[in-house]
Amino acid sequence: DGGITQSPKYLFRKEGQNVTLSCEQNLNHDAMYWYRQDPGQGLRLIYYSQIVNDFQKGDIAEGYSVSREKKESFPLTVTSAQKNPTAFYLCASSIRSGGSGANVLTFGAGSRLTVL
Amino acid sequence: GQQVMQIPQYQHVQEGEDFTTYCNSSTTLSNIQWYKQRPGGHPVFLIQLVKSGEVKKQKRLTFQFGEAKKNSSLHITATQTTDVGTYFCVPSNNDMRFGAGTRLTVKP
Repeated sequence: DGGITQSPKYLFRKEGQNVTLSCEQNLNHDAMYWYRQDPGQGLRLIYYSQIVNDFQKGDIAEGYSVSREKKESFPLTVTSAQKNPTAFYLCASSIRSGGSGANVLTFGAGSRLTVL
Repeated sequence: GQQVMQIPQYQHVQEGEDFTTYCNSSTTLSNIQWYKQRPGGHPVFLIQLVKSGEVKKQKRLTFQFGEAKKNSSLHITATQTTDVGTYFCVPSNNDMRFGAGTRLTVKP
């Protein structure tokens, strides 16, 4: 079955540690996205990538880093510079960015990060 | 990226009542998508509206795109407990920015 796999589902981290959240898709989608969701809030865009080896900052990129070395993978690193990293992180992909009908998002199940 | 405002932020209804959420933009949108996120889940695509004045229906859900393509609405007829969740409208752009959404709760 095609889809997006995020891992781990739950992650606990000590303050000052970097953690990397995995996002893998086998949908052959060009575009991939990372969002952060705090309890009772909407989704905020962290980073997005329209093509391999290219990515752009979203609204809350500070304290996060990404890479897009392969089409199917878009890992997110939450660095120690992120002051309040406890949140639900969602990865999504779309066939391509821009254009009518081109960018319907398929989401992974999410990763819930808790900083102890 | 384009931003939209969604109202209301929260809506609590009795089962069987109707529900409407509105999505407003200060700029003309090329198209708009709607997503639903169940509690504890991830957003799921519902529909995309492209044409001015477009109306689409999915069972009890009716989606509209304004004539000026600056607003959109989602109307649910006779809500059920399965409609509980947060509904998001998203301008379809390269950056796919979500807003705060409208959280719907339904009392049985």
